[in-house]
Amino acid sequence: EAGVVQSPRYKIIEKKQPVAFWCNPISGHNTLYWYLQNLGQGPELLIRYENEEAVDDSQLPKDRFSAERLKGVDSTLKIQPAELGDSAVYLCASSLEHHEQYFGPGTRLTVT
Amino acid sequence: AQSVTQLDSQVPVFEEAPVELRCNYSSSVSVYLFWYVQYPNQGLQLLLKYLSGSTLVKGINGFEAEFNKSQTSFHLRKPSVHISDTAEYFCAVTLSGGYNKLIFGAGTRLAVHP
Repeated sequence: EAGVVQSPRYKIIEKKQPVAFWCNPISGHNTLYWYLQNLGQGPELLIRYENEEAVDDSQLPKDRFSAERLKGVDSTLKIQPAELGDSAVYLCASSLEHHEQYFGPGTRLTVT
Repeated sequence: AQSVTQLDSQVPVFEEAPVELRCNYSSSVSVYLFWYVQYPNQGLQLLLKYLSGSTLVKGINGFEAEFNKSQTSFHLRKPSVHISDTAEYFCAVTLSGGYNKLIFGAGTRLAVHP
């Protein structure tokens, strides 16, 4: 069974540029999560989807971040414009039950 | 709100020695507890979880953890580590029942030396 797929794995952009990350969850998992992991810290939830509905986006900085999960399968997280402080690893996870989340390898973003 | 404290940011240990990674949580209600491992440039992998029942939980790769409600701890142990256990380990907590947000600790870097 394929795991959670994320792309790209690495991205380097200049500040003020837009960037997008893509996530394909494990087949059949209706819940999808985006996390932000800063260096030396644990992941922090940005947004959670139940099917195509964003049910918890309280930690998503909505002035520059947006996300979508069309058709309730794969998802895209966008930052526009990126700032230096956005440099981090962006993790996607999915789950069938609420408590066992399966994580993708992450996208490491560097903003210069 | 619940929180997680991982008491050691780094734990160096020699190969084949035992190891304990400490985790304390704070919550006024019942919780579920998890340990995840993150190898370099990879996502998080679930090692083990405590939902209910026996307080001693066995996980993958020979790891186990003990839930201690009175001390609000969930320490991770392995009797004999391997070089391949070198990784970052995260403790996480969520409120029991239904969906609640996973709260992660800051992580403990386990470095196994030959």
